[in-house]
Amino acid sequence: GAVVSQHPSRVICKSGTSVKIECRSLDFQATTMFWYRQFPKKSLMLMATSNEGSKATYEQGVEKDKFLINHASLTLSTLTVTSAHPEDSSFYICSAILNGLVSTDTQYFGPGTRLTVL
Amino acid sequence: AQSVTQPDIHITVSEGASLELRCNYSYGATPYLFWYVQSPGQGLQLLLKYFSGDTLVQGIKGFEAEFKRSQSSFNLRKPSVHWSDAAEYFCAVFYNQGGKLIFGQGTELSVKP
Repeated sequence: GAVVSQHPSRVICKSGTSVKIECRSLDFQATTMFWYRQFPKKSLMLMATSNEGSKATYEQGVEKDKFLINHASLTLSTLTVTSAHPEDSSFYICSAILNGLVSTDTQYFGPGTRLTVL
Repeated sequence: AQSVTQPDIHITVSEGASLELRCNYSYGATPYLFWYVQSPGQGLQLLLKYFSGDTLVQGIKGFEAEFKRSQSSFNLRKPSVHWSDAAEYFCAVFYNQGGKLIFGQGTELSVKP
C-alpha cells in the first residue's frame, strides 16, 4: 500500500528558532499533500493544501509566513515552523493522495511529528 | 456550517463484544464519508468510505458502516471487537465546496479483556 513518512517524529526546540518537518511519499508520486495540526484530544485541523510546483493554499486563520510549505517534488513536501513559540507546540500530520482527486481519493497519512517549543 | 460530530469521546467495550461508534454530519449536499483509525505511532489508516450506492459499506479489519441520509449519520460497527482494535477513530466528511476533509473530534476506543 501507499506509505507516507514524516521526519522527524519528535522535535524539541527553543522559542524563536525554526523547525523543518519533512513529509515523503515513499512508493508513489503525490501531486497533492496536506498538512494538518492535531491538538490533544482534538480533531485534525487542515492547515494547508500543498501542490507540487505551486504555492500552497492555506486555510483561514493559518499564518502562511509562519508556516512555510514547500512541495518541490512529487514525493516531498516540507513544513517549516518559523520563529516557533510555545503555542506552536502540537502534533503535525501530513497526508498525500495518489490520483489528484481530492474529493474521492484516499488520503494516506504520515505518522505525525510531535513539536515541543520550550 | 459544515461539521462532523462524534458524540462519544471515549468508549470501553469488552473483547468479543459488538461495537458501534456514532458519527453525525451537517452538510447540505450528498456527502463523501470516511472512517479513519489512528493508532499510537502510526498514521491514520482508512477503514472504509462511502460515496454512493449501497448504504452499507464494508471496510477492512471487519468494520462496516451504514449511511443513513434521514439521520445524517454514518455509524461504524464491528460485531466482535479484538484487543488490537483499541485506538482513536475519526469520522470525516469531504467538504466539496472547500475542497477538504472535515474531521470529527474522534472517539477513543478501549478494549477490556
